[in-house]
Amino acid sequence: DAGVIQSPRHEVTEMGQEVTLRCKPISGHDYLFWYRQTMMRGLELLIYFNNNVPIDDSGMPEDRFSAKMPNASFSTLKIQPSEPRDSAVYFCASSPSGGASIKQFFGPGTRLTVL
Amino acid sequence: QKEVEQNSGPLSVPEGAIASLNCTYSDRGSQSFFWYRQYSGKSPELIMFIYSNGDKEDGRFTAQLNKASQYVSLLIRDSQPSDSATYLCAVAPGFQKLVFGTGTRLLVSP
Repeated sequence: DAGVIQSPRHEVTEMGQEVTLRCKPISGHDYLFWYRQTMMRGLELLIYFNNNVPIDDSGMPEDRFSAKMPNASFSTLKIQPSEPRDSAVYFCASSPSGGASIKQFFGPGTRLTVL
Repeated sequence: QKEVEQNSGPLSVPEGAIASLNCTYSDRGSQSFFWYRQYSGKSPELIMFIYSNGDKEDGRFTAQLNKASQYVSLLIRDSQPSDSATYLCAVAPGFQKLVFGTGTRLLVSP
């Protein structure tokens, strides 16, 4: 089975531009997570969905960030307008529901550079 | 105080030795604890999870949990150069959501 799929793998953009990151979770997984990783702050949870519904967006840094999950197999994270401090690796992860297991499976990440 | 704390390292051990990685957490209500391995430029990969006090062994890896002291550790026996990576400790303060430490970099020298 395919793992979590993210696109693009690398994105270089200029300050002020809109950036859209995409994620396809593992089929059958009910939870989807968006993380951001930087050297300074480590891996931070931005938002997560359960059955396509946003459950916790307290990690979204500001209104410039938005995330959607229109169906069970697709999610987007949008930054508008982008700023240099948004440069980071953005990971999408998914996990199945049920029981006490919350093992999350990560996608390969999108390395974002904002100039 | 960070919710999950790890020494950033690097922790250097010779091949064949035992590597000991430690993590402390602040939320006493946390129920689930995870260790992820992340190679440079790659995504985190789950290697161990533990829910109950005590030890849990899986091959060369042993996770140890002490809820009273709020620490969790990972032991890697017979360390190999291929174990060189950053190890992330993650704690679940509630259902589904994980809080990650900043990771400990492990270097295993041949």
